[in-house]
Amino acid sequence: ETGVTQSPTHLIKTRGQQVTLRCSSQSGHNTVSWYQQALGQGPQFIFQYYREEENGRGNFPPRFSGLQFPNYSSELNVNALELDDSALYLCASSLGPTSNEQFFGPGTRLTVL
Amino acid sequence: DQQVKQNSPSLSVQEGRISILNCDYTNSMFDYFLWYKKYPAEGPTFLISISSIKDKNEDGRFTVFLNKSAKHLSLHIVPSQPGDSAVYFCAASEEYGNKLVFGAGTILRVKS
Repeated sequence: ETGVTQSPTHLIKTRGQQVTLRCSSQSGHNTVSWYQQALGQGPQFIFQYYREEENGRGNFPPRFSGLQFPNYSSELNVNALELDDSALYLCASSLGPTSNEQFFGPGTRLTVL
Repeated sequence: DQQVKQNSPSLSVQEGRISILNCDYTNSMFDYFLWYKKYPAEGPTFLISISSIKDKNEDGRFTVFLNKSAKHLSLHIVPSQPGDSAVYFCAASEEYGNKLVFGAGTILRVKS
């Protein structure tokens, strides 16, 4: 059974650019949640996707958007990058939107210069 | 506004002794609480959870206690092992399985 994978591992962008991060969910999982973890802080919920629809969103501006595909993989897109967007971006998949346990990937480290 | 707080950035414990990690929350609507463990270069892994209708849940060496009146939960690890050394995150949610709110984490070091 393949776990949650994320790509790329590391990424460097400049302010104002756009970025796309990718996540492959664990086999059989139809729900994906994205989190932002700034240095020294805990993960902060961005949004959740269930069966290709957004199913809950945290306190993030509209320039953070996402997609979920029919195979339940997901993308996180961030437009107009700001310096404060520098963080570890974590993707987590689960069996359903009310599942007890979320399985996290290793994350993508984004640096905005 | 930090709704979930882990006030101890780090904790050091001798192997074989008890580790107690604490977490406080402010949102009375939180209905579900979880602990995650994170090793360097890996994503957090689920450890144990508890719903608000319970005050204790055990899983092997790990026990979580919930005190709703004090808005406080704790994770007990007995006995502590060197492999338990990691960052521990407390998390809470209003909706089962969704919109997890995490604390900042506590670094646990178990010395052999």
